[in-house]
Amino acid sequence: DAGVIQSPRHEVTEMGQEVTLRCKPISGHDYLFWYRQTMMRGLELLIYFNNNVPIDDSGMPEDRFSAKMPNASFSTLKIQPSEPRDSAVYFCASSLSPKSGGLAYEQYFGPGTRLTVT
Amino acid sequence: AQKVTQAQTEISVVEKEDVTLDCVYETRDTTYYLFWYKQPPSGELVFLIRRNSFDEQNEISGRYSWNFQKSTSSFNFTITASQVVDSAVYFCALSVPQGATGRRALTFGSGTRLQVQP
Repeated sequence: DAGVIQSPRHEVTEMGQEVTLRCKPISGHDYLFWYRQTMMRGLELLIYFNNNVPIDDSGMPEDRFSAKMPNASFSTLKIQPSEPRDSAVYFCASSLSPKSGGLAYEQYFGPGTRLTVT
Repeated sequence: AQKVTQAQTEISVVEKEDVTLDCVYETRDTTYYLFWYKQPPSGELVFLIRRNSFDEQNEISGRYSWNFQKSTSSFNFTITASQVVDSAVYFCALSVPQGATGRRALTFGSGTRLQVQP
């Protein structure tokens, strides 16, 4: 089975440009998460979806960031306009709903997109 | 609020040595899940183990073992007879489901970089 797929793997852009990161979750998973990893802040949650609906976007840094999940197999994270401080590795992860008796399942991560904003 | 502390920033051992990575967590909830992830130099995050708060049994998987102690809020990870391929950053994470839909996001520790020298 394919894991979580992210594209592009690397993105270099100039300040002020729009950046779109893409994610395809594992088939059948109904939770999708976007995380960001930086040296200063470590791994932090940006937003997550359940059944394509955004549940918690409290981690989204500011209005320049937006995320969508138009269907169960695709999500985007957009930064417009991008700034040098957005440089980071952005991870997408997916997981299953809990079955009866359980409340949480492990999240499976994609390979990440390394974003560099100059 | 939840918090995960990995006090060991970096550990260096020689191959075949045993090594323990510490993880201390904070939560007021009685239902929670703990995880360990491995991030090798290639950058992806690899799920290793999930443990729920109701189950304090230790677990062993090959050279890996985990010690969960609620009394000290710790979930430590031991690698026996370490190998060079174990070199990676290891993250401990906490998930506290909330409400009917259950908040699923992971709170990560800052990670411990393990270097295994040949």
